[in-house]
Amino acid sequence: AQRVTQPEKLLSVFKGAPVELKCNYSYSGSPELFWYVQYSRQRLQLLLRHISRESIKGFTADLNKGETSFHLKKPFAQEEDSAMYYCALSAYGGATNKLIFGTGTLLAVQP
Amino acid sequence: DAMVIQNPRYQVTQFGKPVTLSCSQTLNHNVMYWYQQKSSQAPKLLFHYYDKDFNNEADTPDNFQSRRPNTSFCFLDIRSPGLGDAAMYLCATSRAGGGHNEQFFGPGTRLTVL
Repeated sequence: AQRVTQPEKLLSVFKGAPVELKCNYSYSGSPELFWYVQYSRQRLQLLLRHISRESIKGFTADLNKGETSFHLKKPFAQEEDSAMYYCALSAYGGATNKLIFGTGTLLAVQP
Repeated sequence: DAMVIQNPRYQVTQFGKPVTLSCSQTLNHNVMYWYQQKSSQAPKLLFHYYDKDFNNEADTPDNFQSRRPNTSFCFLDIRSPGLGDAAMYLCATSRAGGGHNEQFFGPGTRLTVL
């Protein structure tokens, strides 16, 4: 079964503290993993994808196939990072790929 | 700005009364998606269009239908809304081809069923 699990509904940290949002997946094929973010009163938008191996807004995520994980990390959290974060898996759905989302983690960065 | 627009942002309907949610895009993307997101749950794909080809998810209830009259517009029709259909409905678009392309989301329509 294709599934994405985000075990934490809420993660609260202080400004400047390291952040790790956990994501585990279940997929029989070769996965493509993404992190989408939703800031307050804004629409859901792509933060980063594992294929790009990039750092966006100081966030990185490494795909670990052995542990089937794609955790999102940032060494020093900022207040503006407060948002809802969704891990997503791209699965082949016919002519196109479709996203399977986790339930999301609300990151609250305290001043 | 190129974007995905959803109207209305809030929709209230009565139990069993048909309702239509609207999505339009100025991105000229050939794929459009409809997701349902209930409180504290993950967005769940209902169906998507690749150009005019309709792709329904296996577990999407028959109560949910969709229309895409042209590239820019896509509609979600709920024929007989039940209390369990109250949710946020998200429209998204992407350009198909060559693996996964980023999906661009609209702001969502929050549906209340009385």
